[in-house]
Amino acid sequence: EVQLVESEGGLIQPGGSLRLSCAASGFSVSGHSMSWVRQAPGKGLEWVSVILYSGDTTYYTDSVKGRFTLSRDISKNTLYLQMNSLRAEDTAVYYCARVLVIGNFYYGMDVWGQGTTVTVSS
Amino acid sequence: DIQLTQSPSFLSASVGDRVTFTCRASQGISSFLAWYQQKPGKAPRLLIYAASTLQSGVPSRFSGSGSGTQFTLTISSLQPEDFATYYCQQVNTYPNTFGQGTQLEIK
Repeated sequence: EVQLVESEGGLIQPGGSLRLSCAASGFSVSGHSMSWVRQAPGKGLEWVSVILYSGDTTYYTDSVKGRFTLSRDISKNTLYLQMNSLRAEDTAVYYCARVLVIGNFYYGMDVWGQGTTVTVSS
Repeated sequence: DIQLTQSPSFLSASVGDRVTFTCRASQGISSFLAWYQQKPGKAPRLLIYAASTLQSGVPSRFSGSGSGTQFTLTISSLQPEDFATYYCQQVNTYPNTFGQGTQLEIK
């Protein structure tokens, strides 16, 4: 079964750090581009970051650039989101997702994790 | 960044109704648009990609159309399980932005 399982989030003080992980099963992260999407309480979806299938290219939304780093460990078939200098506005449910790629084109996200809650508060 | 504007923000409808949601992009994105359904406390579900291609396993009452800057998602005959929030997402350019969502409620 194709599945993504995120690690537990948590309560982090402003300025703190947290690393989220996303373990894939049923497919290899090395053959897929992977993304993170977040959703603040009561708000809509916000795309956060992507790592392309090659593993050497990442993109970020402006609000997390320089603070968040997306990486993967092929041997563990796991995606990581390192979040530093956390702010109250980073409070959200974080979802990892597999990017649907057909040919050379990206078409959205077809497999999603269950989500993990990150709360940034003192 | 490309902005996506969804309308309406809220929609009340009844089982059996035909409903249409609109998503407008601030600049042309060809057909690089996806639609998602999200129910409370759940992860989003991909419904439509490439503006009009139905994702595997999605009922045929869902359909999408459009290109460039104007897109629509139509549900031909609402079923009880369709009441949820719907989001569009452009995948033409990074960051892959989402619309603000349309919440579909039971009348």
